[in-house]
Amino acid sequence: KAGVTQTPRYLIKTRGQQVTLSCSPISGHRSVSWYQQTPGQGLQFLFEYFSETQRNKGNFPGRFSGRQFSNSRSEMNVSTLELGDSALYLCASSLASAFGDIQYFGAGTRLSVL
Amino acid sequence: TQLLEQSPQFLSIQEGENLTVYCNSSSVFSSLQWYRQEPGEGPVLLVTVVTGGEVKKLKRLTFQFGDARKDSSLHITAAQPGDTGLYLCAGGGYSTLTFGKGTMLLVSP
Repeated sequence: KAGVTQTPRYLIKTRGQQVTLSCSPISGHRSVSWYQQTPGQGLQFLFEYFSETQRNKGNFPGRFSGRQFSNSRSEMNVSTLELGDSALYLCASSLASAFGDIQYFGAGTRLSVL
Repeated sequence: TQLLEQSPQFLSIQEGENLTVYCNSSSVFSSLQWYRQEPGEGPVLLVTVVTGGEVKKLKRLTFQFGDARKDSSLHITAAQPGDTGLYLCAGGGYSTLTFGKGTMLLVSP
């Protein structure tokens, strides 16, 4: 069974630009979550999509947005990039259990904003 | 807001040593997961514990969930260089997980 696939693996952008990241979940998983990971803040939750609907949202500005398609693939968009947006962006697809979601992560997209 | 605190933040040891890392919260979690993350990669799930007092073993790794389901520990016996990485605990919920900031473990030959 293929794992979670994130593309691209690396991106270099300049301030003010926008960027779109892609995530293909594990087959059969309908929930996709996005996280931002930085050395200082650790893993911070951005948002979660389930069946094409945003189900939960973290505390990030509106420049961060996402969507999910009918095949469960998800994209995340960041507009008007700032230097502080440099981070590893991780996508996780979830399998629900009686005790909470079990999340499986992709390798991430490393975004550098210059 | 549920918070998970991990300690220590950094641990540098020699091959063959034993170690324990901790994950603590003031909140009760329905489940708790441990992940290991290597540089440039995403976290990889090691184990999920769901029952208070539960102990799970994965080769040289022993995971314990506290009786009150507020804390957990990870013990590694005879650490090896391949154990090097960032160990993250995450509190289970529905739709979202709360992550600790992790323990960075370096095992030197």
